[in-house]
Amino acid sequence: NAGVMQNPRHLVRRRGQEARLRCSPMKGHSHVYWYRQLPEEGLKFMVYLQKENIIDESGMPKERFSAEFPKEGPSILRIQQVVRGDSAAYFCASSPRLAGSSYEQYFGPGTRLTVT
Amino acid sequence: AQSVAQPEDQVNVAEGNPLTVKCTYSVSGNPYLFWYVQYPNRGLQFLLKYITGDNLVKGSYGFEAEFNKSQTSFHLKKPSALVSDSALYFCAVRVVDGNTGKLIFGQGTTLQVKP
Repeated sequence: NAGVMQNPRHLVRRRGQEARLRCSPMKGHSHVYWYRQLPEEGLKFMVYLQKENIIDESGMPKERFSAEFPKEGPSILRIQQVVRGDSAAYFCASSPRLAGSSYEQYFGPGTRLTVT
Repeated sequence: AQSVAQPEDQVNVAEGNPLTVKCTYSVSGNPYLFWYVQYPNRGLQFLLKYITGDNLVKGSYGFEAEFNKSQTSFHLKKPSALVSDSALYFCAVRVVDGNTGKLIFGQGTTLQVKP
C-alpha cells in the first residue's frame, strides 16, 4: 500500500509565477489536509478537503492560494503570483475516515517551494 | 484558543539514558493527542496517539507517552535513547468539534542523542 505521494519534491519559482503542488492520498483515503512549514517553525494547518468539497479552509491565506480535490486525480494546492514569503515546505496528509475520528493522519514527504 | 506548547527547543541526552520530550496543550473538550517525528528533509512519521483509555500509550520504536489530564500534558518518553532517535519531534492535538479534522502542532523539539 503506497503512502501519501507528493510531487514535485522540490519546486523553484520566480516571483510572480504560479506554483502547483500535487498530492495523492493513500489508497482508500478520501480526506486530505494541507499544512505549511515555514523555516524554523512547526506545521500550520491550511485546508481540509474531501472529494469535490472544501470542508475547512480557515488556515488558507485569503488571496493567491486555492486548493481542490477533484473526483478523479490528486489534490492540488495552487499558489498564484508567488512571493518570497511563500518559500516553505508544504505537506499533504490523508486519513481514511470522517473528521473528528480517532484516525491519525499520514503525511507525504512534502514539496519544498523556493521562490527566487 | 486551542494550542500546543513544546517548552524545549532542544533536548540533549546521552545514548542509553532515558529521554523525555515535553508537551502541554490547551483545548476545549476532550483532546485527541499525537506525536510525530520528522527526519531531515522528510515528511512526518506517526509515533503514537492518545484517544481514550489507559493514560500510558505505547508507540513505534520503543516510544511511549503519558497523558495527564490534570496537568494537560502529553510527554513523550523512551527508557533508553538511541543515536538514531535524533530528529525533530512534534506534538499535535486534533480538535474534536464541528467538521474540522485539523491538527494543531507544537513548534517542535529537536532531540539530540550523543554516543
